[in-house]
Amino acid sequence: KQEVTQIPAALSVPEGENLVLNCSFTDSAIYNLQWFRQDPGKGLTSLLLIQSSQREQTSGRLNASLDKSSGRSTLYIAASQPGDSATYLCAVLAGGTSYGKLTFGQGTILTVHP
Amino acid sequence: DGGITQSPKYLFRKEGQNVTLSCEQNLNHDAMYWYRQDPGQGLRLIYYSQIVNDFQKGDIAEGYSVSREKKESFPLTVTSAQKNPTAFYLCASSIYSTERAQFFGPGTRLTVL
Repeated sequence: KQEVTQIPAALSVPEGENLVLNCSFTDSAIYNLQWFRQDPGKGLTSLLLIQSSQREQTSGRLNASLDKSSGRSTLYIAASQPGDSATYLCAVLAGGTSYGKLTFGQGTILTVHP
Repeated sequence: DGGITQSPKYLFRKEGQNVTLSCEQNLNHDAMYWYRQDPGQGLRLIYYSQIVNDFQKGDIAEGYSVSREKKESFPLTVTSAQKNPTAFYLCASSIYSTERAQFFGPGTRLTVL
């Protein structure tokens, strides 16, 4: 059974810092990995998607990497801003016939203070 | 304006009642999903549907039912058999593509009184 773990559970940083969020998964037979952002009481916004054959993806100040063999992904946020404060979730999509089955981590609550 | 809509935003239910949560998408996506989110936990899959008139159970389907009569609609019924229904419910959809990215609606918060 796939299990996804995110570390740390919470992170508080001053504005301007670069930071790294970690995600690990137990079964390397994944199709892709997605990073999402969730604001309080809201739905999920997709940030980055990495296919199993890719090593990293970048969007603006965000960079996500994937090491499938070791079961790890990181989300790097450069020059953090108070508007980045949210919960960040990673999720892996199972390969094979389990179409659409995303397994989520519990999330990292990020607070960026001015 | 394309997207996924869920209604209502807040829903209150008395014990013993069935309630239905609405999910509609105008993205022309093939697959749709229902997830449940509890405080401090990640999302868990309830049901998913790859095509019209077909759906499969996820990890926590007990006490829930769904239908998929139209491509754009995937309503979720929370029955009285669901022992702890208070949660945040999220609907998602995806298109058959190499990427298989899932996109989420704004959610419905269900509270049992």
